[in-house]
Amino acid sequence: DTEVTQTPKHLVMGMTNKKSLKCEQHMGHRAMYWYKQKAKKPPELMFVYSYEKLSINESVPSRFSPECPNSSLLNLHLHALQPEDSALYLCASSQALAAGGDTDTQYFGPGTRLTVL
Amino acid sequence: AQKITQTQPGMFVQEKEAVTLDCTYDTSDPSYGLFWYKQPSSGEMIFLIYQGSYDQQNATEGRYSLNFQKARKSANLVISASQLGDSAMYFCAMREVYNTDKLIFGTGTRLQVFP
Repeated sequence: DTEVTQTPKHLVMGMTNKKSLKCEQHMGHRAMYWYKQKAKKPPELMFVYSYEKLSINESVPSRFSPECPNSSLLNLHLHALQPEDSALYLCASSQALAAGGDTDTQYFGPGTRLTVL
Repeated sequence: AQKITQTQPGMFVQEKEAVTLDCTYDTSDPSYGLFWYKQPSSGEMIFLIYQGSYDQQNATEGRYSLNFQKARKSANLVISASQLGDSAMYFCAMREVYNTDKLIFGTGTRLQVFP
């Protein structure tokens, strides 16, 4: 089973709202990722959690706040977003192999389409 | 410099024909992995196939095969017997052994399969 689930599928929010995106995997993976994807562009990495610790933050604005409550769950808390933050937000997970892990395949969820008004 | 280059923004193929999507890469790492993903209009990124830099044989997964030419630094995806459901965006990606948490994507190729 290579399923990663994301909720909600669609989200519309105002610039003053606070919302959260959720991601879940039950593959025993120890690395989880958030990506942002604008239309007709490749995904851009935002955050990486490895063994439930934040290992990479790609200089993402603080209005995006990730959280990894346990090895199966990943949240992205949103606050005071801008219209330019409207995008498809993809979650992914992988086994997080040790160094030499070029074979570590990332499996993606279906994404959350976010619209900021 | 671009680490992953996909020079074909769009490709057309007739149903049941084979099609090759190009991907070239640039790395000085001796060990790396190459991946292809399919993204239909629904948005989900679907993993298709993986090729390791030390693999002697080209990877195959059903109708997908990866034409790996290490000296040329190319990793082209070949889809045989195209189906209408193959219409999607296809991304080539690379993971370097010393940068294992990051997947570097190309700009993608949009494939359209027509009857």
